Amino acid sequence: GAGVSQSPSNKVTEKGKDVELRCDPISGHTALYWYRQSLGQGLEFLIYFQGNSAPDKSGLPSDRFSAERTGGSVSTLTIQRTQQEDSAVYLCASSSSVQETQYFGPGTRLLVL
Amino acid sequence: KQEVTQIPAALSVPEGENLVLNCSFTDSAIYNLQWFRQDPGKGLTSLLLIQSSQREQTSGRLNASLDKSSGRSTLYIAASQPGDSATYLCAVRLSGNQFYFGTGTSLTVIP
Repeated sequence: GAGVSQSPSNKVTEKGKDVELRCDPISGHTALYWYRQSLGQGLEFLIYFQGNSAPDKSGLPSDRFSAERTGGSVSTLTIQRTQQEDSAVYLCASSSSVQETQYFGPGTRLLVL
Repeated sequence: KQEVTQIPAALSVPEGENLVLNCSFTDSAIYNLQWFRQDPGKGLTSLLLIQSSQREQTSGRLNASLDKSSGRSTLYIAASQPGDSATYLCAVRLSGNQFYFGTGTSLTVIP
């Protein structure tokens, strides 16, 4: 079936605005991850969803960041009052279980001016 | 906190050479380790996943090994091709839900 999809592919916003990033995981995958990849740095874990369990939010860098996963499928990452340091590629991944391979989407490139 | 280091940061080899990429991690109590490749402007593609109980995994020209006690993994690429040019990332998972990624090795295979 289709892989992980993310939208938009690119987003340019002004400092202080809110943005929403969307992730459509592979159908049937119960685990969903959000990561941030800043220029010249490794991937930074943000948040993890597993089935109906409470999400692991331990990687969110500030309370301006939040994420939801509706109906155990689509997830939205919201960044409120964006700052220039939020500029990065935001990657979503899903897996059939925590033990299994993660499949990544193409990412959303966010630029905050 | 788990620290994941990849050496070298960049590597350039002529086509046909065999090569080894290295990944080291500080906390040996890992659940699994995964190798990915990332092409410019793209997401990550999983190459090999090694569970903590395994020593190595093979897929085609790729072989990944895992030595938990020493905190090391290697990715061996045989008979390199220009299409192998990409950034290679390793990621380790501890018993929780978090994956820790290295900063990657940028590989260029020269035709």
